[in-house]
Amino acid sequence: DAGVIQSPRHEVTEMGQEVTLRCKPISGHDYLFWYRQTMMRGLELLIYFNNNVPIDDSGMPEDRFSAKMPNASFSTLKIQPSEPRDSAVYFCASSLGTGGSPLHFGNGTRLTVT
Amino acid sequence: DAKTTQPTSMDCAEGRAANLPCNHSTISGNEYVYWYRQIHSQGPQYIIHGLKNNETNEMASLIITEDRKSSTLILPHATLRDTAVYYCIVVPQAGTALIFGKGTTLSVSS
Repeated sequence: DAGVIQSPRHEVTEMGQEVTLRCKPISGHDYLFWYRQTMMRGLELLIYFNNNVPIDDSGMPEDRFSAKMPNASFSTLKIQPSEPRDSAVYFCASSLGTGGSPLHFGNGTRLTVT
Repeated sequence: DAKTTQPTSMDCAEGRAANLPCNHSTISGNEYVYWYRQIHSQGPQYIIHGLKNNETNEMASLIITEDRKSSTLILPHATLRDTAVYYCIVVPQAGTALIFGKGTTLSVSS
């Protein structure tokens, strides 16, 4: 099992540019989660999907952020346009949504917006 | 959702047991107690979870009080590699998103 795979590991971009973060969940998992982590705010839930359908996107900070899950094996988080305050580590996680199933996290994407 | 209270930080000597407490006094009957940890710059790692009974796995033991209002995560023989932030989270039902608090920073020293 390869675990949750995120790409890229690091992204440096200039303010105003579009950024796309990618996630491949564990095969067979039906829930996918996107989190953001900063020193000031800790780990924040942005959005999560069940069977490729967004369930709760109330954590998405503003319209500049969008997330998609076109199929069970791939999800993207897009920021357009990016701003310096978006600098953070973005984590993707997946789980099998049956009784007591834990989340499995990827290693994250460290985003720096200059 | 039930909230949790954890100490901000704890210290432990290498080879000793680390006992990390968590209060969740408003927990309801169908809510699980989950523990995760995050080693610097890595994604959070699942440790253990329980509903009512005490649980043990290869990483740790989870002791839940009879009234379920608090729990303790036990690392029986802490090593330097156990230095991390430990999160106690109460989850209403399987598949619901985890909401992380600030956790406990455990420092294991030789």
